[in-house]
Amino acid sequence: EAQVTQNPRYLITVTGKKLTVTCSQNMNHEYMSWYRQDPGLGLRQIYYSMNVEVTDKGDVPEGYKVSRKEKRNFPLILESPSPNQTSLYFCASSLSGGAGDNEQFFGPGTRLTVL
Amino acid sequence: QQQVKQSPQSLIVQKGGISIINCAYENTAFDYFPWYQQFPGKGPALLIAIRPDVSEKKEGRFTISFNKSAKQFSLHIMDSQPGDSATYFCAASALGGSEKLVFGKGTKLTVNP
Repeated sequence: EAQVTQNPRYLITVTGKKLTVTCSQNMNHEYMSWYRQDPGLGLRQIYYSMNVEVTDKGDVPEGYKVSRKEKRNFPLILESPSPNQTSLYFCASSLSGGAGDNEQFFGPGTRLTVL
Repeated sequence: QQQVKQSPQSLIVQKGGISIINCAYENTAFDYFPWYQQFPGKGPALLIAIRPDVSEKKEGRFTISFNKSAKQFSLHIMDSQPGDSATYFCAASALGGSEKLVFGKGTKLTVNP
């Protein structure tokens, strides 16, 4: 089954404790992205990756890191989480190539609470 | 700077009614306009999308209307059903760029039985 998986689905942590949210897709997609969803603010892009070893900042990158060492994986790293990073996080992927279908496939989400 | 403005923020309709959600954009380079549907506890999923070479696209009960000169597009849900209750996001992107999707802030639709 074609899908984007995220782990963990729920996480409660404390300020300053480094954490990683994993994201994996099995569709051989080149493009991957992280979003955070907050009430009244919609979906905001954190980081994206056009391909392996190619990453770039989205709209709200502060406090986050990413890496893309393999095509299928795109982990999101919070090195020193703060309460304002409490949010619902989504990983997404799409088949890149420019003039084609831009459908993004989203994972199930990770609910993060930073105390 | 919000590049895609979506309204209303919430919408309540009766079963069988028409739901209409509107979006406006500023960037004339945008040439792909999808709508995503998100059910509670799930990630968004593509519902329907349109490119600016057509003014309307229909898939079942869902229709996108596109007005290029006004830089506006809207989603119409005909014969709305309780199962349509979800949050709807409009989005826009420019092909050939970074494939970055710019999302509206979302509309929470409730269809009462």
